[in-house]
Amino acid sequence: EIVLTQSPATLSLSPGERATLSCRASQSVSNYLAWYQQKPGQAPRLLIYDASNRATGIPARFSGSGSGTDFTLTISSLEPEDFAVYYCQQRGNWPPFTFGGGTEVEI
Amino acid sequence: QVQLVESGGGVVQPGRSLRLSCVASGFTFSRYGMHWVRQAPGKGLEWVAVIWSDGNNKYYEDSVKGRFTISRDNSKNTLYLQMNSLRVEDTAVYYCAREVAVGAGSAAHFDCWGQGTLVIVSS
Repeated sequence: EIVLTQSPATLSLSPGERATLSCRASQSVSNYLAWYQQKPGQAPRLLIYDASNRATGIPARFSGSGSGTDFTLTISSLEPEDFAVYYCQQRGNWPPFTFGGGTEVEI
Repeated sequence: QVQLVESGGGVVQPGRSLRLSCVASGFTFSRYGMHWVRQAPGKGLEWVAVIWSDGNNKYYEDSVKGRFTISRDNSKNTLYLQMNSLRVEDTAVYYCAREVAVGAGSAAHFDCWGQGTLVIVSS
């Protein structure tokens, strides 16, 4: 089973700042990695799929990069609505399709 | 618009059964692989099961294998999760999720989620 490790667990930033979130896989998942945003009481929302493709309707301030075992989600300039928990998820080696433990971006 | 609506959650005793349903609308259900993902209270996301678009292939997370069964009825645009021999550790919000369209097919990243249905297993 591929383990996804997200860091940091919590990221404390202010609106307008740049956020850089990391996801490391225990073995290569090629580019088959996605990023999700989840706010309290809501279902997750797909932001990025296959490492760097923005999902429909996702603002350009969200970008993804990486391949193999190391991936990054970058939010270029945080908006107030971006404060949430972010998860990565892989489909490179399955089953199971695994998720990372999450990074909370807090004000 | 694209929508998934789950139902069937509730409070159940350990060892009992429950069946979740997920009704899809706004897209061609039969073209997409579908998944169940769960989230225990205050915890992260955990993938549970997948069923391919034609229903011919199914895969499960190890802890639910042999106890849970995923199925679908493409004529009713509905996904199911039959949960037997429930355990306290199965307590979670259960989401159904659609695969994202990639090329002519779909891939196991999830671009549409239901609102979730809460399952509580407790004596």
